[in-house]
Amino acid sequence: ELKVEQNPLFLSMQEGKNYTIYCNYSTTSDRLYWYRQDPGKSLESLFVLLSNGAVKQEGRLMASLDTKARLSTLHITAAVHDLSATYFCAALSGSARQLTFGSGTQLTVLP
Amino acid sequence: DTGVSQDPRHKITKRGQNVTFRCDPISEHNRLYWYRQTLGQGPEFLTYFQNEAQLEKSRLLSDRFSAERPKGSFSTLEIQRTEQGDSAMYLCASSRPGTANEQFFGPGTRLTVL
Repeated sequence: ELKVEQNPLFLSMQEGKNYTIYCNYSTTSDRLYWYRQDPGKSLESLFVLLSNGAVKQEGRLMASLDTKARLSTLHITAAVHDLSATYFCAALSGSARQLTFGSGTQLTVLP
Repeated sequence: DTGVSQDPRHKITKRGQNVTFRCDPISEHNRLYWYRQTLGQGPEFLTYFQNEAQLEKSRLLSDRFSAERPKGSFSTLEIQRTEQGDSAMYLCASSRPGTANEQFFGPGTRLTVL
């Protein structure tokens, strides 16, 4: 059974600083996804990583995938308050190709 | 708006009552998923439709839960004899082939069972 673990679960950071969120998954998965969720809202797709070594960037966020290490990272550069949200990683599994999510990282960017 | 829509957005019910939620996927998406999310957790997979066929059900989907997708368009999720443990956000997502199965989520239905 696929398990996905994120760390840290809670992250407070100062504006302008850099930080990385880590996502480990337990069994082989050929796809890795990152989503953002604001309080009381649904999930917004951020990145889809399809292969080993894949790197995608959008604004201050950059995601990467190492399938050999079963590790994905979400790097935040020069954080701003608008990035405050909960970030989920998810791996694809099962015959239904459903997503298995981590517990999320609640990010708070402080002024 | 061409996104995934769900109705109702909020539902408060008493224990033992039946509830039904609706999901309208993005029009060209033939894959439809239901997930459940409780506070502080990531969404958990419940069931999957490809067109009108329900192809996968999670062990989380007890006998009190049933889902349909008639004609391969909208889907409904019914919970019979609700229990307090059913209180959660119910999320619907859709995707189409050839897109790395990128799933787009609806706004969710928040269920509170009193």
